[in-house]
Amino acid sequence: NAGVTQTPKFQVLKTGQSMTLQCAQDMNHNSMYWYRQDPGMGLRLIYYSASEGTTDKGEVPNGYNVSRLNKREFSLRLESAAPSQTSVYFCASWTSGAGETQYFGPGTRLLVL
Amino acid sequence: QKEVEQNSGPLSVPEGAIASLNCTYSDRGSQSFFWYRQYSGKSPELIMSIYSNGDKEDGRFTAQLNKASQYVSLLIRDSQPSDSATYLCAVNRAAGNKLTFGGGTRVLVKP
Repeated sequence: NAGVTQTPKFQVLKTGQSMTLQCAQDMNHNSMYWYRQDPGMGLRLIYYSASEGTTDKGEVPNGYNVSRLNKREFSLRLESAAPSQTSVYFCASWTSGAGETQYFGPGTRLLVL
Repeated sequence: QKEVEQNSGPLSVPEGAIASLNCTYSDRGSQSFFWYRQYSGKSPELIMSIYSNGDKEDGRFTAQLNKASQYVSLLIRDSQPSDSATYLCAVNRAAGNKLTFGGGTRVLVKP
């Protein structure tokens, strides 16, 4: 049981390049999330998926797209990277019911030059 | 006004003392509340959740919720150097399973 996994762990991009951040969870959770974390800003929700086949915008969706490939996988795509997208990206999944909480992946550090 | 507000700190406490962290939120419809601990360079991990008014204790941690005043707090008793981290308050608003996070409070426990 690996929990929530993310790849890659670290990436350097040039402005205008594209890339996809991968996330997978093996806990059979319905809901999955993408956050970015910048110094002093806490975690800000980019996109989320309440269930397989659905996605919705969060607080800061501009410049990103997502795909809920199946129940396990939720990917985040940067079509044309900008320096303002330099951040740490966390994927999370949600377990509802008793003891509900979010489990976070280890994060992807992205540097856009 | 931010939806979830925390003092950024750092909150410096001597080893063995009580660390008191506060969090206020703006949405009165918020249903559940969470405290996460985040070590530098690591992902957040849940340490406490609270759903109803009052206190909830788990080991050295106590969460307190006051919905009328719209604040939630976290007490860390017998603080240890290993408690040095950033503590994030998160609120689940009424509309779906989406957490809104505060900016976090950095805690430093000095031996």
